[in-house]
Amino acid sequence: DIQMTQSPSSLSASVGDRVTITCRASQSITGYLSWFHQKPGKAPKLLIYDVSRLQSGVPSRFSGSGSGTDFTLTISSLQPEDFAIYYCQQTYSIPWTFGQGTKVEIK
Amino acid sequence: QVQLQESAPGLVKPSETLSLTCSVSGGSFDSGDYHWSWIRQHPWKGLEWLGYISYTGGTFPNPSLERRLTLSIDTSKNQFSLKLTSLTPADTAVYYCARGFGVVGANFDSWGQGTLVTVSS
Repeated sequence: DIQMTQSPSSLSASVGDRVTITCRASQSITGYLSWFHQKPGKAPKLLIYDVSRLQSGVPSRFSGSGSGTDFTLTISSLQPEDFAIYYCQQTYSIPWTFGQGTKVEIK
Repeated sequence: QVQLQESAPGLVKPSETLSLTCSVSGGSFDSGDYHWSWIRQHPWKGLEWLGYISYTGGTFPNPSLERRLTLSIDTSKNQFSLKLTSLTPADTAVYYCARGFGVVGANFDSWGQGTLVTVSS
């Protein structure tokens, strides 16, 4: 199975900050990576797929980049509703696997 | 707007079989553009994809669960289902059903609310 490793595991940030989360795959997944966020008691919500494609309805402050094994999710200006846990997921090969999560907390 | 809703089995005993059903409303169930997946979330292990089924009944389970997992679909009821046998406490998790799009249906754009399954005697 492809292992997905996120960093950091948690971060504290203020509203308006630029936030970057990294995801590394244990082998190349070319351009097949998604990002989700999850709020307490809710299902994960798809933000970005295929590395950089913004899911319909997701604000443009979210962006994704990367290829091969190293990927980044950037939130250009953190908003109050963005405090959540963020997960990456490889969609390159079955079994599809997720990172362990990055918790974004209010500073 | 598609909506997914898992059934709620609650507490199940070790060695028993878990049966879950996901009801899909709001369209798209009969579209060949989507696959229908099960995903679970352990408190200690994070998110784990369990397997998918297509509208035509083709299935692809996670190899780690292949011997214990059965996926089925009832197109007349707009439902798909999961059976997981030989349960242990390690199967305790929140179970989600989800719709996947894309070339292999791996982009999960709609999810059920999740149902907590506790395996305990």
